[in-house]
Amino acid sequence: GAVVSQHPSWVICKSGTSVKIECRSLDFQATTMFWYRQFPKQSLMLMATSNEGSKATYEQGVEKDKFLINHASLTLSTLTVTSAHPEDSSFYICSAPSTGNTEAFFGQGTRLTVV
Amino acid sequence: KQEVTQIPAALSVPEGENLVLNCSFTDSAIYNLQWFRQDPGKGLTSLLLIQSSQREQTSGRLNASLDKSSGRSTLYIAASQPGDSATYLCAVSPTGFQKLVFGTGTRLLVSP
Repeated sequence: GAVVSQHPSWVICKSGTSVKIECRSLDFQATTMFWYRQFPKQSLMLMATSNEGSKATYEQGVEKDKFLINHASLTLSTLTVTSAHPEDSSFYICSAPSTGNTEAFFGQGTRLTVV
Repeated sequence: KQEVTQIPAALSVPEGENLVLNCSFTDSAIYNLQWFRQDPGKGLTSLLLIQSSQREQTSGRLNASLDKSSGRSTLYIAASQPGDSATYLCAVSPTGFQKLVFGTGTRLLVSP
C-alpha cells in the first residue's frame, strides 16, 4: 500500500517556541492532505485540510495563525505550531488520500509535548 | 453534522473469544467506512475499508459489515489473541475525498 511518512515521531519543546511537523507521501502525489489531532483519551479530530498551491482550510475552532500549514509540493505538507503552549500538547497525525481518493493513508503521528 | 459513536468504549476478554465491535453514524450519506487499529502512542493501521456499495469485507480473522441505511457497521474478530489488544477506531468519509470523521474508539484488552 501507499506510504505516508511523518516526521518527527515525537518532540518536546519549550513554551513560546515553534515546532514544525512534516508529512510526506512517499510513492504517490497528494494534492490534498489532512491534519488531525488527538488529545488523551479522545478520538482524532480533523484540524485542517492542506491544499497544494492554495491556502489551507481550517475546521471551526482551529486558529489558522497558530497552526500554519504549507503544502509546498505534491508530496509534502508541513504543520507548524507557533508559540506553542502546554495545551497544544497532543498527538498530531496527517493523512493523504490515495490516487483516486479511494482510501486514506496515515502517517505515523507526532507526539508533541510542550513544557 | 456527522457523528460517529462506538460501543462498547472498552472491552476485556480472555484469549480465544470471538467478539464484535460496533460503530454507528448519524448520516447515512457516506462514501466509505474504514476500521483502524491504534496501539498506544502510535499511528493508525488500516484494517478494513468498506465502500458504500459493499456490505462486508474480510481480512484474516477480521470481518467488517456495513449497513448504510441504518448507519451501522460491525467489526467481528474471531479467535481473539493478546496481540489484538489495541484501540479500534471506525471512521467514515462523507465524500469521496477521504476527510474522515472518527468514532470514539473501543479499547480492547485480550488477556492470555
